[in-house]
Amino acid sequence: EVQLVESGGGLVQPGGSLRLSCAASGFTFSSYSINWVRQAPGKGLEWVSYISTSSSTIYYADSVKGRFTISRDNAKNSLYLQMNSLRAEDTAVYYCARDRSSSWQLDYWGQGTLVTVSS
Amino acid sequence: DIQMTQSPSSLSASVGDRVTITCRASQSISSYLNWYQQKPGKAPKLLIYGTSSLQSGVPSRFSGSGSGTDFTLTISSLQPEDFATYYCQQSYSTLTFGQGTRLEIK
Repeated sequence: EVQLVESGGGLVQPGGSLRLSCAASGFTFSSYSINWVRQAPGKGLEWVSYISTSSSTIYYADSVKGRFTISRDNAKNSLYLQMNSLRAEDTAVYYCARDRSSSWQLDYWGQGTLVTVSS
Repeated sequence: DIQMTQSPSSLSASVGDRVTITCRASQSISSYLNWYQQKPGKAPKLLIYGTSSLQSGVPSRFSGSGSGTDFTLTISSLQPEDFATYYCQQSYSTLTFGQGTRLEIK
C-alpha cells in the first residue's frame, strides 16, 4: 500500500524556520517525482514545490522562492521541505504528493502536517 | 502562471442529481487537466487525469471532458459520499489549482 506520512509541523514565530519531512513506503520512491502542496485554513490548494526523481529538476512557487528548499534522500525514502523566513501567510496544512508519471498528476497524498506561523 | 477558474464556487444538489462543474484556464492547456475531490479534514484524492481518464478505483459516475481552455467534471447520479469540494488542476506547466467548488446537500 502506497503511504506518504508528513511530519515536522508545529507552531513557529514569524521569521523562524521549520523542516518538514515526508516518509514514503509501499512504492519505489526513487522512481517518482514528488510535490509539496499546501492549504491555508479554510482555503484552496496551493502548489509549493516539485522535485524530480534524481533531484536534478526543482521548481518553486513564486510565493516561497528563496525561502523554502526542497530535497530528497532516495536511500531513506524521504522528502524534505526546509522553510526559512516564515511568514503568517505560510500558515497551512502541508501535503506531500506523489507525481503519477512526472506529469503533474498527483495520485497519492499524505495526511498533511499543520504549520502555524504566529507570535 | 496559468490561472484556473472554476464555476460555480458552491453548488447545492440532491442525491441522484446530475451535476456539472466547469473549469476554465487562462490559456490553452490542451488536455492537461486533472480533477480532485477533497472531503473535510482529508487529503485531496485524484479523480480524473488527462481531462477524461478515470483514476483507478474511482466510480464510473464521474466523467470529465473538454480541451483547450474549457473543461467539465460531471457526476451522473450523485451519491451521499460525493458531497465534497472539487478542484481542477492544470498540468500543462508548473501546476495550478482552481479555487474549488463546494458541493453541498440540498
